[in-house]
Amino acid sequence: NAGVTQTPKFQVLKTGQSMTLQCAQDMNHEYMSWYRQDPGMGLRLIHYSVGAGITDQGEVPNGYNVSRSTTEDFPLRLLSAAPSQTSVYFCASRRGGADTQYFGPGTRLTVL
Amino acid sequence: GEDVEQSLFLSVREGDSSVINCTYTDSSSTYLYWYKQEPGAGLQLLTYIFSNMDMKQDQRLTVLLNKKDKHLSLRIADTQTGDSAIYFCAETMGAQKLVFGQGTRLTINP
Repeated sequence: NAGVTQTPKFQVLKTGQSMTLQCAQDMNHEYMSWYRQDPGMGLRLIHYSVGAGITDQGEVPNGYNVSRSTTEDFPLRLLSAAPSQTSVYFCASRRGGADTQYFGPGTRLTVL
Repeated sequence: GEDVEQSLFLSVREGDSSVINCTYTDSSSTYLYWYKQEPGAGLQLLTYIFSNMDMKQDQRLTVLLNKKDKHLSLRIADTQTGDSAIYFCAETMGAQKLVFGQGTRLTINP
């Protein structure tokens, strides 16, 4: 199993550009989540999904969209990038409920 | 509210024990976790404890849970240079999500 994979690893955007961060898992996990990590603030939940076709907002959803058309994929879209979205983004998945959560390697995004 | 608090830095000498502390707010949390993050990497689950337990030991790691004070600690015995990392505690918040602390950066001095 590849586990949780994320692409790209690094990305630089200009303010106002849009892009999609990709996340995929091959463990047939129902639950998938996106977090952002900022210095001194730990990980904050952006959006999460409890199964294909079901998504919900986390703690800091503004400026981000998600969709879950398949169990495997959970892309995160930035519609109009802002410097405040400069961060490291982690995707995670777990089988369900309070099960162990597996993290991807992260995407480091810089918005100029 | 959802709040998990950790001190940001800890420095210990190689071979000593490290104790990383965490306080949480949700008394209904089912599981509490410790994750390790090495530079440039994602988070790796180290260990977890069920809320009905007081202690869990796994080789060099000991987790202590004080439910009355909502206090969680991670003790690393015989700390090695490979233990240098950021350590996050996290609590389950309902069935859908984890809430993370800010992370404690552990530095090992020779």
